[in-house]
Amino acid sequence: AQSVTQLDSQVPVFEEAPVELRCNYSSSVSVYLFWYVQYPNQGLQLLLKYLSGSTLVKGINGFEAEFNKSQTSFHLRKPSVHISDTAEYFCAVSDGLRGGSQGNLIFGKGTKLSVKP
Amino acid sequence: KAGVTQTPRYLIKTRGQQVTLSCSPISGHRSVSWYQQTPGQGLQFLFEYFSETQRNKGNFPGRFSGRQFSNSRSEMNVSTLELGDSALYLCASSGSTSTDTQYFGPGTRLTVL
Repeated sequence: AQSVTQLDSQVPVFEEAPVELRCNYSSSVSVYLFWYVQYPNQGLQLLLKYLSGSTLVKGINGFEAEFNKSQTSFHLRKPSVHISDTAEYFCAVSDGLRGGSQGNLIFGKGTKLSVKP
Repeated sequence: KAGVTQTPRYLIKTRGQQVTLSCSPISGHRSVSWYQQTPGQGLQFLFEYFSETQRNKGNFPGRFSGRQFSNSRSEMNVSTLELGDSALYLCASSGSTSTDTQYFGPGTRLTVL
């Protein structure tokens, strides 16, 4: 079965500093990868997704991630964070093969990003 | 386009009762998935419905059930509530294919006393 490991449960960082949130997944023949963000008392918002093609994926709010098949990683990066980026971030994987949908996302445990002034 | 809506947003029940949560997907979306989010277990997939049929199911007991109506609206039901069922229940909708993005609703916060 697929699994996702987010290596850091909490990441504190100062405003305008770069940040990397790490994600590793168990290997599979075909895999789709996602990063979602959750602000307090809200649902999940998609930041970016990798389905195929270029391994560098750009998302919303200045975030990007790189798919590395050999290391089974999909780390999320932002060159300069803002206070408003404080939230919980979830990495997720889908094998995309179950009935032709993504409707069986496997999530990591989440990383709480805390941006300090 | 209106986003995914979930009702109610907050719910308090006692052990042994049952509860029904509702999810209205984005217009035109035919797939609805449900997830349970708890501090201990994180986000876990419950089930997915597509065109009124359950297409995928997670590893939850039979007390958790769902259905989808012809207008793609979905409900999930939890019978004989236990304290451990306290959680945020999230619904997500998407189109028909594996490359369609899942859009999440704000969730229903269920507290079991």
